[in-house]
Amino acid sequence: ETGVTQSPTHLIKTRGQQVTLRCSSQSGHNTVSWYQQALGQGPQFIFQYYREEENGRGNFPPRFSGLQFPNYSSELNVNALELDDSALYLCASSLSGSLYEQYFGPGTRLTVT
Amino acid sequence: KQEVTQIPAALSVPEGENLVLNCSFTDSAIYNLQWFRQDPGKGLTSLLLIQSSQREQTSGRLNASLDKSSGRSTLYIAASQPGDSATYLCAVDSGGGADGLTFGKGTHLIIQP
Repeated sequence: ETGVTQSPTHLIKTRGQQVTLRCSSQSGHNTVSWYQQALGQGPQFIFQYYREEENGRGNFPPRFSGLQFPNYSSELNVNALELDDSALYLCASSLSGSLYEQYFGPGTRLTVT
Repeated sequence: KQEVTQIPAALSVPEGENLVLNCSFTDSAIYNLQWFRQDPGKGLTSLLLIQSSQREQTSGRLNASLDKSSGRSTLYIAASQPGDSATYLCAVDSGGGADGLTFGKGTHLIIQP
């Protein structure tokens, strides 16, 4: 069974640019969530996708957007990057609903300069 | 708005000791609570998931309890080992999954050999 994978591992971007982060869900999981973790903080929920539709969103502006594909892989897109967007971005996959654990990938470290 | 607090923020103990990490949450209307481990710069590893109807869960040397009415959970680690050194994060699901998990800031644990 393959776990959750994310790419790239590290990324450096300039303020104002756009970035796309990718996640491949664990086999059999139909739900993917994205989180932002600033240094020294707990992860903050960005949004969740279920069957290719966004079905939940945290307190993040519209320049954070996502996609989920039929094979349940996912993308996180961030437009007009700001310095405060520098963080570890984590993807988590699970089965739908609250009965199931969320399984996290290794994360993508984004640095905005 | 759900808030999760973890005490202590950091803990250093000699190898072999039993220890308790604490987690509290402000809204007792949760679906489940999950404990994670995070190694420096890495993703999250799920340790234990406790459903709201459960009182505790055990896995190896780990035991997690949940007192939903008082808004508290504890993670008990028996016979600690240097390999247990990591940050331990507590997270609650208050929205049935679609609202994501709300995390504490974590307890940074160091086990001295």
